[in-house]
Amino acid sequence: DVKVTQSSRYLVKRTGEKVFLECVQDMDHENMFWYRQDPGLGLRLIYFSYDVKMKEKGDIPEGYSVSREKKERFSLILESASTNQTSMYLCASGTQLNQPQHFGDGTRLSIL
Amino acid sequence: KNEVEQSPQNLTAQEGEFITINCSYSVGISALHWLQQHPGGGIVSLFMLSSGKKKHGRLIATINIQEKHSSLHITASHPRDSAVYICAVRASGTYKYIFGTGTRLKVLA
Repeated sequence: DVKVTQSSRYLVKRTGEKVFLECVQDMDHENMFWYRQDPGLGLRLIYFSYDVKMKEKGDIPEGYSVSREKKERFSLILESASTNQTSMYLCASGTQLNQPQHFGDGTRLSIL
Repeated sequence: KNEVEQSPQNLTAQEGEFITINCSYSVGISALHWLQQHPGGGIVSLFMLSSGKKKHGRLIATINIQEKHSSLHITASHPRDSAVYICAVRASGTYKYIFGTGTRLKVLA
């Protein structure tokens, strides 16, 4: 069974802090994704990566960066956290074929 | 207008009822996915469709490519079906997925 593990279920940080969200998958998937989910807006793509060290901006990359140094790990970085980044963050992985994505359990991040 | 629209946004049903959730999209797609999200956040994939119809237990998903429309049906609904159901499309020629805003289903015993 594919496992996508996010490092924290709940996280509280302060405005201006640098925040790291980690995601690890165990199925050797090429593609990895970071989304945020807000009420009434659905999932929105922040960044995705289709290979090690490769990344592409999604629909809402402002205020975020990512790192993929190893195939199994995809990190989302909030450079200087702001209150409007309070949200549910979901990581997903998938193959380059037309197969379903596999999601982590999500990290509910609160920025105070 | 969103590229993926779902209806209804909220749905309350009595146990045993037949339920239909609809999804319309406006872009070319290589596949359409139905996802289920329970309280607490975890999302699981129910179906992936590129044509026709698929069935898994009490769940049936259909897609009409020409009309750019898909439906998810739940027969003999049960309180454990209570969740948010999300329609997502994989846009043609990309790795990207576009998500609907979800349908919140509550099934009462």
